[in-house]
Amino acid sequence: KAGVTQTPRYLIKTRGQQVTLSCSPISGHRSVSWYQQTPGQGLQFLFEYFSETQRNKGNFPGRFSGRQFSNSRSEMNVSTLELGDSALYLCASTGGGVGKNEQYFGPGTRLTVT
Amino acid sequence: GQNIDQPTEMTATEGAIVQINCTYQTSGFNGLFWYQQHAGEAPTFLSYNVLDGLEEKGRFSSFLSRSKGYSYLLLKELQMKDSASYLCAAFTGGGNKLTFGTGTQLKVEL
Repeated sequence: KAGVTQTPRYLIKTRGQQVTLSCSPISGHRSVSWYQQTPGQGLQFLFEYFSETQRNKGNFPGRFSGRQFSNSRSEMNVSTLELGDSALYLCASTGGGVGKNEQYFGPGTRLTVT
Repeated sequence: GQNIDQPTEMTATEGAIVQINCTYQTSGFNGLFWYQQHAGEAPTFLSYNVLDGLEEKGRFSSFLSRSKGYSYLLLKELQMKDSASYLCAAFTGGGNKLTFGTGTQLKVEL
């Protein structure tokens, strides 16, 4: 089974621009969660999508948004980029079902905002 | 609120045993994850404890005490490749939300 894939792997953007990141979960997994990782704050939960619906949301401003498609692929969007948005963005897929809560992470997208 | 504490750094010797502790205070706790993360890479799943007790998986074991809000990861027969950050994360349900600690940077020396 293929793992979680994320595109692009690296991205450089300028302040004020917007960016869209993509995540394809493990085949058969319906839940996709997004996290931001920075040296100062560690891994922080952004939001989770399940069956095309946002099921959970972290404490991030409205500039951060996401969506999920019928094939479970998910995208996250950050508008009006700020320098502080420079981070590794990770998505994780979960199979669901009783006792199957393990989250498997993709390789991440490293975003640099200049 | 959610609070997860783990030591920032630990150093151990190749071949030895090391225990990385994690304490948590969360609402709606459903389980405790441990992940390993090498520099520049994504976290990789190590273990998931739901019930109290010890779960062993090869050189790695993980323990959970729900009443004490405490978990530890035990690494045996340490190898140089075990040098990495170890992340403790509480699964708080209401969807698949994980709240992570800041990670313990483990350095394995000769």
